[in-house]
Amino acid sequence: AQTVTQSQPEMSVQEAETVTLSCTYDTSESDYYLFWYKQPPSRQMILVIRQEAYKQQNATENRFSVNFQKAAKSFSLKISDSQLGDAAMYFCAYRSMDSNYQLIWGAGTKLIIKP
Amino acid sequence: DTGVSQNPRHKITKRGQNVTFRCDPISEHNRLYWYRQTLGQGPEFLTYFQNEAQLEKSRLLSDRFSAERPKGSFSTLEIQRTEQGDSAMYLCATRGSGANVLTFGAGSRLTVL
Repeated sequence: AQTVTQSQPEMSVQEAETVTLSCTYDTSESDYYLFWYKQPPSRQMILVIRQEAYKQQNATENRFSVNFQKAAKSFSLKISDSQLGDAAMYFCAYRSMDSNYQLIWGAGTKLIIKP
Repeated sequence: DTGVSQNPRHKITKRGQNVTFRCDPISEHNRLYWYRQTLGQGPEFLTYFQNEAQLEKSRLLSDRFSAERPKGSFSTLEIQRTEQGDSAMYLCATRGSGANVLTFGAGSRLTVL
């Protein structure tokens, strides 16, 4: 069975600085999807960025980018120029290609932005 | 509002009572998912509908839980004889055919006293 591990329960960063959130996963599959979702307090889960395992190029969405290391089964999220609105729980999630979208989630990392 | 709508947003109930949550998907989304999220954890999959058909159910979905999606539109999740361990956020997510992204609702938080 696949597992997703986020080893940082909480991270803090100064506004405008860069922060990296860690995620590792375990799978025997060669093809899959990985996601980072953001969950602000009392608000809905929002997709931040996704990565297809067959793509070697790291995904980027504006200030958000990933460092996908397939052999190491690592999928970290880098947030550049941190903003107060980035404060939220961040979840890493895994999806098998044939799972009907049953995402497997990490426990989350709480990101605190210091003004 | 074109997003996924969940009601009620917060329900407080006494142990042993029944509760029902409703999810209204984005109109063109035919796939609907229920997840449960406890404090400090990521969501856990409960069940999945494609149109009105319930195609997958997690072992987490005990016989006290039942989900329906009549006519393939809105969905309800009912919990009978609630227990304190049922206290959690119940998330609904939907997606359209061929889409690779889930759209989540804001969730329904259940507190069982």
